[in-house]
Amino acid sequence: DAGVIQSPRHEVTEMGQEVTLRCKPISGHDYLFWYRQTMMRGLELLIYFNNNVPIDDSGMPEDRFSAKMPNASFSTLKIQPSEPRDSAVYFCASSRMTRNTGELFFGEGSRLTVL
Amino acid sequence: SQKIEQNSEALNIQEGKTATLTCNYTNYSPAYLQWYRQDPGRGPVFLLLIRENEKEKRKERLKVTFDTTLKQSLFHITASQPADSATYLCASGSARQLTFGSGTQLTVLP
Repeated sequence: DAGVIQSPRHEVTEMGQEVTLRCKPISGHDYLFWYRQTMMRGLELLIYFNNNVPIDDSGMPEDRFSAKMPNASFSTLKIQPSEPRDSAVYFCASSRMTRNTGELFFGEGSRLTVL
Repeated sequence: SQKIEQNSEALNIQEGKTATLTCNYTNYSPAYLQWYRQDPGRGPVFLLLIRENEKEKRKERLKVTFDTTLKQSLFHITASQPADSATYLCASGSARQLTFGSGTQLTVLP
């Protein structure tokens, strides 16, 4: 299996622009998570999906952030408009939960820089 | 509020020694704890999971303990090697969400 695939790996944009990050989870995994990692705050959960349905988006910082999962093999995280404080590494992870637990398989991340 | 903390930001040890990393949690009782390894520029990689009813878990040179009285998990790497140098993250779980600690950067010196 190819693992979790994220794109782009690096994105540099200017404040106010729209940013779309993409994720392809591992086939057969029924959970998908979006995390953000910064030096100051570490890894923070933004939102997660179960069977393509958003379950908890309480970690999404503002209305400027939105996430979708139109099918089992694709998810997007959109920031519109972007701001410099959104600069971070955004990780997508997928999992197949058994006994209410499951190891997360992370992608390599999308490093976002907003100027 | 729920908190999970890793005591040391950085830990340097000599090759061949045992590295011990600490993870503490407060104000809640997680059903399980997980440990991940993260290399620079890469995503975290799962290493071990330990449940609240388990005292200890082992995998090759890795050992994890879970002390619900002390609200603490210890992560040990025995016979450490320079290749073990990385950031190690603990994560606590309840239901289907994981909350991560800030990580401990381990450097194994040759």
